[in-house]
Amino acid sequence: ILNVEQSPQSLHVQEGDSTNFTCSFPSSNFYALHWYRWETAKSPEALFVMTLNGDEKKKGRISATLNTKEGYSYLYIKGSQPEDSATYLCAFDNTGNQFYFGTGTSLTVIP
Amino acid sequence: DAGITQSPRYKITETGRQVTLMCHQTWSHSYMFWYRQDLGHGLRLIYYSAAADITDKGEVPDGYVVSRSKTENFPLTLESATRSQTSVYFCASKEGWTEAFFGQGTRLTVV
Repeated sequence: ILNVEQSPQSLHVQEGDSTNFTCSFPSSNFYALHWYRWETAKSPEALFVMTLNGDEKKKGRISATLNTKEGYSYLYIKGSQPEDSATYLCAFDNTGNQFYFGTGTSLTVIP
Repeated sequence: DAGITQSPRYKITETGRQVTLMCHQTWSHSYMFWYRQDLGHGLRLIYYSAAADITDKGEVPDGYVVSRSKTENFPLTLESATRSQTSVYFCASKEGWTEAFFGQGTRLTVV
């Protein structure tokens, strides 16, 4: 069992605020780090898959960075909007087949 | 239709009964996974499969059985359902390090 930790557990921000979350994972046997967005009553949807140390990915107002040597990834949301409200999950992929999720960060954006 | 589908979407069963949750994907992805969603635990890996006829235990396998005779199907069986197995179950598939795609989830209630 791999220990994948996310912080904070939940977050409430005002519309327009920028925010960031952390995902910590084992620094050994790294294969890939995934970020997913999970809305209530829906299935998780992929945001990013990151494989290289120093990787930076961006999709609209959301971006992510990766540090495999120290075992962490940050997800940033710039100018949060109410539609960004969701749970953000990271998943550590250590061999391509074992795929473990953190417990997620629940984001609520207040209009 | 291309994608990953789970059936049934909702199931109520009695304690002690055997129940099978179905998962079917159309992409011929090598890897398939079963997760359960539990409050405070996020998504926990039950079983995974790297290819047809290759399966392995995840984090919480007790009380569950899987098989994968065909690449596209990955059924999950609860041999003798218990109330603690009341949960939402998600199936996912992926290829290598690329993003995982999730089914719609099966809400199982054991009474």
